[in-house]
Amino acid sequence: AQTVTQSQPEMSVQEAETVTLSCTYDTSESDYYLFWYKQPPSRQMILVIRQEAYKQQNATENRFSVNFQKAAKSFSLKISDSQLGDAAMYFCASLGTQGGSEKLVFGKGTKLTVNP
Amino acid sequence: EAQVTQNPRYLITVTGKKLTVTCSQNMNHEYMSWYRQDPGLGLRQIYYSMNVEVTDKGDVPEGYKVSRKEKRNFPLILESPSPNQTSLYFCASTSGSYNEQFFGPGTRLTVL
Repeated sequence: AQTVTQSQPEMSVQEAETVTLSCTYDTSESDYYLFWYKQPPSRQMILVIRQEAYKQQNATENRFSVNFQKAAKSFSLKISDSQLGDAAMYFCASLGTQGGSEKLVFGKGTKLTVNP
Repeated sequence: EAQVTQNPRYLITVTGKKLTVTCSQNMNHEYMSWYRQDPGLGLRQIYYSMNVEVTDKGDVPEGYKVSRKEKRNFPLILESPSPNQTSLYFCASTSGSYNEQFFGPGTRLTVL
């Protein structure tokens, strides 16, 4: 069974600063994917960044990057130059492909506040 | 525009009154699923479907039914809703090549 843990229920950052959101996971699968989703007040689930477990290089999308530590089963999200529009709930998720279910397992989320 | 649509977006109903939440995707994805989101619990999978006429239970299937008669549609059925099914529901479809899940806008359900 897969599990995802986000140990920070809430975080805050000053506008233009950098913040890191933590995520650890556990899976028995050898082939899996990791994601960070953003959920603004509109409730829409928006994919921020994805990482294939077989890739050693950390994924980057503009101001968003991850620190993927496979041995430690850690997958943190770094947001650089934080903007007011980054304020949202952030969910870490893992997806295993064995058994055909392709189920996303989510952490409980981190609420990010961006202070002007 | 590639998208997943859900209807209704908001619904208030009473205990025991059957309801259906529709979900449709226009990306020809084979895999679709339903999640519910509750405060402090994140999102949990209710049911999923790997293709037409192929469905299976997720982590929290009790009280729900689904069907997949067409590739694009995956309705969620609550035969006899109860207050503990008050939640935010998301439908999602998966791009096979990138394993990215595209989410619908969500349906806020309140069962009185």
